[in-house]
Amino acid sequence: DTGVSQNPRHKITKRGQNVTFRCDPISEHNRLYWYRQTLGQGPEFLTYFQNEAQLEKSRLLSDRFSAERPKGSFSTLEIQRTEQGDSAMYLCASSLSGQAYGYTFGSGTRLTVV
Amino acid sequence: KNQVEQSPQSLIILEGKNCTLQCNYTVSPFSNLRWYKQDTGRGPVSLTIMTFSENTKSNGRYTATLDADTKQSSLHITASQLSDSASYICVVTLPMDSNYQLIWGAGTKLIIKP
Repeated sequence: DTGVSQNPRHKITKRGQNVTFRCDPISEHNRLYWYRQTLGQGPEFLTYFQNEAQLEKSRLLSDRFSAERPKGSFSTLEIQRTEQGDSAMYLCASSLSGQAYGYTFGSGTRLTVV
Repeated sequence: KNQVEQSPQSLIILEGKNCTLQCNYTVSPFSNLRWYKQDTGRGPVSLTIMTFSENTKSNGRYTATLDADTKQSSLHITASQLSDSASYICVVTLPMDSNYQLIWGAGTKLIIKP
């Protein structure tokens, strides 16, 4: 197991286009989280899944954002009609529920909307 | 309101010197307090994790302290190396019956100069 894997590492897109990111968590982790991080700031929570169920969504997750984890393994985060303000690092993390430890992050996907 | 504040915002020191980064939090109760190191363009990597009952935790040249009475934590870096240049983020985890909450500081950007 190589940890949490995110693809792509970088994405440049034109405003108005749709983009999709993928996260593969640590295999035995049942929780998966998405965060957004802008320059000079700490990560901001977007949403999280326990197995395939999306249990919580932040107000930051507008209706242009949708996340799925159809089989309780990998997850996708889609942004529709991208805006320049969506430019950020999108981080995925995974953990085991009931465990305060073992919260592991991926390397992130850097999105640039031009 | 649950908040985590870090100081200084940025710090420049010479290679080989020691430094201490500060974290003040208003989160109560909490499960644990973590320090992460984040290299530019990468996801955060955990350095130390302390429960509320622990006072200190070391990881190589990194030593974290926690004072639950004053709600303060510090991260001390000994004999700094060029590879220590990164952002250091303090994160407080809400109790495990909370769905997801990691309360993030904005980080301290540390630059090590040769």
